[in-house]
Formats: sequence, structure tokens, C-alpha cells
Amino acid sequence: KAGVTQTPRYLIKTRGQQVTLSCSPISGHRSVSWYQQTPGQGLQFLFEYFSETQRNKGNFPGRFSGRQFSNSRSEMNVSTLELGDSALYLCASSLTSGSGYNEQFFGPGTRLTVL
Amino acid sequence: AQSVAQPEDQVNVAEGNPLTVKCTYSVSGNPYLFWYVQYPNRGLQFLLKYITGDNLVKGSYGFEAEFNKSQTSFHLKKPSALVSDSALYFCAVRDGGGGYNKLIFGAGTRLAVHP
Repeated sequence: KAGVTQTPRYLIKTRGQQVTLSCSPISGHRSVSWYQQTPGQGLQFLFEYFSETQRNKGNFPGRFSGRQFSNSRSEMNVSTLELGDSALYLCASSLTSGSGYNEQFFGPGTRLTVL
Repeated sequence: AQSVAQPEDQVNVAEGNPLTVKCTYSVSGNPYLFWYVQYPNRGLQFLLKYITGDNLVKGSYGFEAEFNKSQTSFHLKKPSALVSDSALYFCAVRDGGGGYNKLIFGAGTRLAVHP
């Protein structure tokens, strides 16, 4: 079974631009979560989507948004990029959402650099 | 609020020796605990989880973890370390207050296994 895929793997943008990252979960998984990883803040939860609905949101500004499609694929968007948005963005998929005890499987991440 | 602490930034072990990576947690309610490993330029790989039941949990690649409710700890262990185990290890707890699949991660512990 194919794992979680994320595209693109690397991105370089300039301040003020916007970016869209894509995530394809493991086949059959309906929950997709996004995390930001930085050296200073570590791994931080951005949001989770399940059945095209946002189930939970982390403490990030409104510039960070996402969506999920009917095939469970998910995208996240960051508008008006700031230098501090440079990070590794990780997507994770899970079978379900409500129980919380299913492990999440992570993709390789998208490395975003903002210049 | 839920939280996870990994008190050691780095752990150094000689190949063939047992290893322990420490994790303590603070949660309200029953803890759902996870260990993940991250290799350079890769996403996180799931190692094991504790949901309920036996306090000794066995996982992938020969790793195991011991859940200790009285000490609120969930230490990762392996009887005999390999050089290939060198990586960044994260302990995580499900955010029961937020529900669903939101994970709160520790800061990570870098494991270095020397030949």
C-alpha cells in the first residue's frame, strides 16, 4: 500500500506570496492532519480534516488554511508569506478521526523556504 | 493542558548497549501516547503506541516502551542499539481536550549510536 505523498517536496517563495501544498493520504484513510516543524517551535499542529470538514485547528493565524476533497486528498494554503513561515510542513493520515487512538502516518514533508 | 516533555536533547549510546529515551506526560483523562522516529530529510515514522492494557508496549524495529502511570512516564527502550537507530525521536500525546487526531509532541531527543 502506498504511503502518504506530499507535493512538492521543496518550495522557495518570497515574502508576500502565497503557496499551496498538497497531500494524498494512504488509500482508505479519511483523516488528514497538517503539522509545521521548525527548529525553534518543534512540531506544531495546524489542522485536521475528516470527510471534507475541518475537525480541529491549531493556534495559527488565519493566513493558514486548508481543505479536503471528496477523495480525502488535502491541500493547505499559506497566504502573505512571512520569513517565519519557513518550515517543514508535514501531512499525516489516519483511518478515522473520532477515537484518537489510531496512529497517524506521516508523509515526507514539504520544505518551504521564504526569502 | 496536555503536554509532553523529553528531558534529554541528546542521548549517546554505544552499539550493542541498551538504550532509553525518556518521555514524561501531563494529561487530563486517559493518555494516548505515541513514539515516532524521524530520519534526516524524512517524515515521521510510527514506532509504537499506548492506548490501554499492558504497560509494556512492543513496536517496530525492536523498540518497546514502558508506560508508568504513577510516574507519568512513557520511556522508549531497546535492548541492543544499532548504529542505524541514530535519528530524532519524538514522544507525543493525543490532545484529549481538543479531541480527534491532534497530537502534541515533545521537543525531540537526538539518539546517537556509536560503533
